[in-house]
Amino acid sequence: EVHLLESGGGLVQPGGSLRLSCAASGFTFDSYAMSWVRQAPGKGLEWVSGIRASGGTTYYADSVKGRFSISRDNSKNTLYLQMNSLRAEDTAVYYCAKEATIFGVVTQYWYFDLWGRGTLVTVSS
Amino acid sequence: DIQMTQSPSSLSASVGDRVTITCRASQSISSNLNWYQQNPGKAPKLLIYAASTLQSGVPSRFSGSGSGTDFTLAISSLQPEDFATYYCQQSHSTPRTFGQGTKVEIE
Repeated sequence: EVHLLESGGGLVQPGGSLRLSCAASGFTFDSYAMSWVRQAPGKGLEWVSGIRASGGTTYYADSVKGRFSISRDNSKNTLYLQMNSLRAEDTAVYYCAKEATIFGVVTQYWYFDLWGRGTLVTVSS
Repeated sequence: DIQMTQSPSSLSASVGDRVTITCRASQSISSNLNWYQQNPGKAPKLLIYAASTLQSGVPSRFSGSGSGTDFTLAISSLQPEDFATYYCQQSHSTPRTFGQGTKVEIE
């Protein structure tokens, strides 16, 4: 069965650091791009960061650029998000998501077809 | 960055109603548009990708249409399990961006 399981969330003080992990199973992990998406309490979905299948290319939302770092260990089927200089506004449930792709007639389509259950990060003193 | 705007932000409907949700992109995204359903306390679930392709296992009462900047999600006959929040998301470029969500509530 295909599965994503996040871990590493918790309570951290402003300015602190946290490392999230996402363990993948049931699919060929190193064939897919992966992303982190977060959801603040009572708010909508916000894409945070993405990484290509090989790990060679990474992307970040402006809101976390320079503070967060995404990486992956394809030998361990695991995705990571290192979060530094955390702020109160980073408080959210963090989801990891697998990004599938298909080829259309003239272009390529991408979509998040598998999500984990999320891990809660609370930044508060 | 491409901005995604959904309307309405919320709606009330009854079981059996036809419901439509609109999503507009700030620039053309071709058919690079996906729809997700989220129930409270749960992860989002993919409903439709590439604007109109139904994800495997999703009931056929869900349908998507549109291209360029204007898109629609339709539910032909609302079922009790469809009361949830729906999000559109563009995959035309990075950063990936989501609409603000549409909450479908029981009337």
